[in-house]
Amino acid sequence: ETGVTQTPRHLVMGMTNKKSLKCEQHLGHNAMYWYKQSAKKPLELMFVYNFKEQTENNSVPSRFSPECPNSSHLFLHLHTLQPEDSALYLCASSQFTSGGYNEQFFGPGTRLTVL
Amino acid sequence: GDSVTQMEGPVTLSEEAFLTINCTYTATGYPSLFWYVQYPGEGLQLLLKATKADDKGSNKGFEATYRKETTSFHLEKGSVQVSDSAVYFCALVTPGFQKLVFGTGTRLLVSP
Repeated sequence: ETGVTQTPRHLVMGMTNKKSLKCEQHLGHNAMYWYKQSAKKPLELMFVYNFKEQTENNSVPSRFSPECPNSSHLFLHLHTLQPEDSALYLCASSQFTSGGYNEQFFGPGTRLTVL
Repeated sequence: GDSVTQMEGPVTLSEEAFLTINCTYTATGYPSLFWYVQYPGEGLQLLLKATKADDKGSNKGFEATYRKETTSFHLEKGSVQVSDSAVYFCALVTPGFQKLVFGTGTRLLVSP
């Protein structure tokens, strides 16, 4: 595997279900991100992890719970979601360097549908 | 705060037509600028980038020049192909920060 991979690619879940999205990066990066992509809206940054530590949480509801066990893996645990949470969830990674620019590499996304 | 404004789509062109997708930005400091492309059913791929004023990013026939005086980073291609049909996102990041700020995306539809 190369780059950034995400599983599953598609997920349909009910509002009472619990599921998890997985992201893995094979680029040796030290930072990972979750984004939400909804129709006709800019990509929304949800969470940022540096060296496994969460450094940003953009007022995301607690029904989304991220986990970063190491610098290569990132999870997004989902529970009691709402239909408006249906979207494409994108994972990205980068090599963060203070003072430098920060090119992010994206996975293919998980298309989530909440019924 | 930092922001990116893109022209609304969709942009509909015939094959071999000239493409321009406008992008302007507002940022503190000196951001790096990016164009990402998203093909149907896929995630975002970096298309090109520029890190300082007057830099020109180029890739796959696409070009964009970092214009500090007009705070713009317009995407151009001389002759589009059907395979270029996708959504194009302009984005910026301020050095030392990790937050990529995206525009809303512009859908390009190219017909044979």
